[in-house]
Amino acid sequence: GDSVTQMEGPVTLSEEAFLTINCTYTATGYPSLFWYVQYPGEGLQLLLKATKADDKGSNKGFEATYRKETTSFHLEKGSVQVSDSAVYFCALSGGAIYNQGGKLIFGQGTELSVKP
Amino acid sequence: SQTIHQWPATLVQPVGSPLSLECTVEGTSNPNLYWYRQAAGRGLQLLFYSVGIGQISSEVPQNLSASRPQDRQFILSSKKLLLSDSGFYLCAWEKRPGQGIYEQYFGPGTRLTVT
Repeated sequence: GDSVTQMEGPVTLSEEAFLTINCTYTATGYPSLFWYVQYPGEGLQLLLKATKADDKGSNKGFEATYRKETTSFHLEKGSVQVSDSAVYFCALSGGAIYNQGGKLIFGQGTELSVKP
Repeated sequence: SQTIHQWPATLVQPVGSPLSLECTVEGTSNPNLYWYRQAAGRGLQLLFYSVGIGQISSEVPQNLSASRPQDRQFILSSKKLLLSDSGFYLCAWEKRPGQGIYEQYFGPGTRLTVT
């Protein structure tokens, strides 16, 4: 079945460092891909998305490109801040193959800690 | 704009007691609705989804049930809680910005501790 694999955390970086969180997926059909962020004690927030191959999603300085050839959707940010400390989830939605909606399949999450 | 509410925010319940968690959505009509559970240190597991009033699909056999008595209300229940039911429960509604494109937006969650 469909699945999402993320790099294990925690990832600890200094402020202004470059961030990459790897995400790869296995899916049939043509999934949409998402990154969600969860701040401590809160629900998930949609950070960015891409709906087809070669799309780049971006938001708040974060970017991820939908790479069909490598089945990847890595999250990047050029300069992280302390406020970026959170858990990041990669997810896919079956989209067109799920005729009752986009059931999300999540990776395990990667905890990011940014130190001043 | 759309908003999603969950309550209670936190709950401590003894084993064997009943459970009722509520989720409501404002600012949209006929949304798809979802219940997820997040166990400590793990990813999210889809429990139930609903495409309309009274229509519930279960993803994982378990001690829980769900109901949708109104268009924008989604309830998660149990008759007798188990220790393994502890976790962070998240409700989500689904937005469809385009053909075949689905986005889910999550509520603030309910942290349930079964003692």
